[in-house]
Amino acid sequence: EMQLVESGGGLVQPGGSLRLSCAASEFTFSSYWMHWVRQAPGKGLVWVSRMNSDGSTTNYADSVKGRFTISRDNARNTLYLQMNSLRAEDTAVYYCASPGVRDGYNFDIWGQGTMVTVSS
Amino acid sequence: QSALTQPRSVSGSPGQSVAISCTGTSSDVGGNNLVSWYQQHPGKAPKLIIYDVTKRPSGVPDRFSGSKSGNTASLTISGLLAGDEADYYCCSYAGSNTFYVFGTGTTVTVL
Repeated sequence: EMQLVESGGGLVQPGGSLRLSCAASEFTFSSYWMHWVRQAPGKGLVWVSRMNSDGSTTNYADSVKGRFTISRDNARNTLYLQMNSLRAEDTAVYYCASPGVRDGYNFDIWGQGTMVTVSS
Repeated sequence: QSALTQPRSVSGSPGQSVAISCTGTSSDVGGNNLVSWYQQHPGKAPKLIIYDVTKRPSGVPDRFSGSKSGNTASLTISGLLAGDEADYYCCSYAGSNTFYVFGTGTTVTVL
């Protein structure tokens, strides 16, 4: 079964940095677009960023552009999200997601999420 | 880019049908056939239940169906079951500036 497992969340002060990881298994990771989606406590889903299969194309939501950087290591089947200049409004569960074999404009495979809390 | 508009909640009795609307603009919902729907139970990751407006992934019951008219997409759940109680989110591709926009979310309650 295709699986994504996020890690790296935690408590960080405003202005601080954090790097999230998403490890893929039973999944041809190197073939697919990968995304980050976040969900603030009690709120809805918000798309954050995406990267294509070979890492040559990245896109970001306006709210994180210039502060967050998505990257991937296809040899390690791992996706990353480097988050800098963190703000209170970045507090959320962060999910990695992928269309997987469907390879379209949807999110078929999700991780369990990792919580990021930005607070002093 | 604002979130797509969904009703805050809908409810129905077991066996009944409910419909959830998802209203956007010509730049997202109305501009393509790339609307997807997600079911999310409390404390769990979302699950894809409809993609490309009307398609169902394997394993998703045919009680779930999707449609679209103009700038509004809809999810219909027929034959409501207790296990359908969850939050539901629509999502649309919104072009090369905004990329993806999710709906505000709808809580389905089975009475």
